Amino acid sequence: AQSVTQLGSHVSVSEGALVLLRCNYSSSVPPYLFWYVQYPNQGLQLLLKYTTGATLVKGINGFEAEFKKSETSFHLTKPSAHMSDAAEYFCAVTRAGGTSYGKLTFGQGTILTVHP
Amino acid sequence: DAMVIQNPRYQVTQFGKPVTLSCSQTLNHNVMYWYQQKSSQAPKLLFHYYDKDFNNEADTPDNFQSRRPNTSFCFLDIRSPGLGDAAMYLCATSIDRVISYEQYFGPGTRLTVT
Repeated sequence: AQSVTQLGSHVSVSEGALVLLRCNYSSSVPPYLFWYVQYPNQGLQLLLKYTTGATLVKGINGFEAEFKKSETSFHLTKPSAHMSDAAEYFCAVTRAGGTSYGKLTFGQGTILTVHP
Repeated sequence: DAMVIQNPRYQVTQFGKPVTLSCSQTLNHNVMYWYQQKSSQAPKLLFHYYDKDFNNEADTPDNFQSRRPNTSFCFLDIRSPGLGDAAMYLCATSIDRVISYEQYFGPGTRLTVT
């Protein structure tokens, strides 16, 4: 079985500060990992994904994440927060093969607040 | 632009009155998913269609049904909504379950049960 743990249900940063949202996963096989962002009353938008290859993944809006197998982590970072980054962020994992058929397992989400 | 469209965006229904939510896609993707997302929770997969093949999650209540009459459209039917079914319902698509695991989400339908 696979699972995702997002440390911190709420993260607050000042505008211009570093954003770090933590995600740890559990998977018995090599995972595919995703970060999604959700604005209020909207669907989920893909920020970035890791499948294979380079472990540092760059996404949209200046976000990036690094896959660290030894730490089973896939933390999301952005060097400088912008007010428009305020949203809820979900980390998700799926199995690379097997019977999960692309089924995403989501973390509980982290609400990011950005202060002026 | 190719996209996933959900209608309506907001739906109010009465307790026990059947309701249907609609999803359409112009991406020509093989897979369509329905998620339920309750307030302050992660999305929970209800079921998905791989082409015409329906795949139900083990813990999805029988009260929830789905239809996919063609590649572009997928419907979520709630036969007898209860107060606990009030949630955001998200439709998502992906090209294929094997080739790509990336899912594209619609804007969601927020269901209120009175």
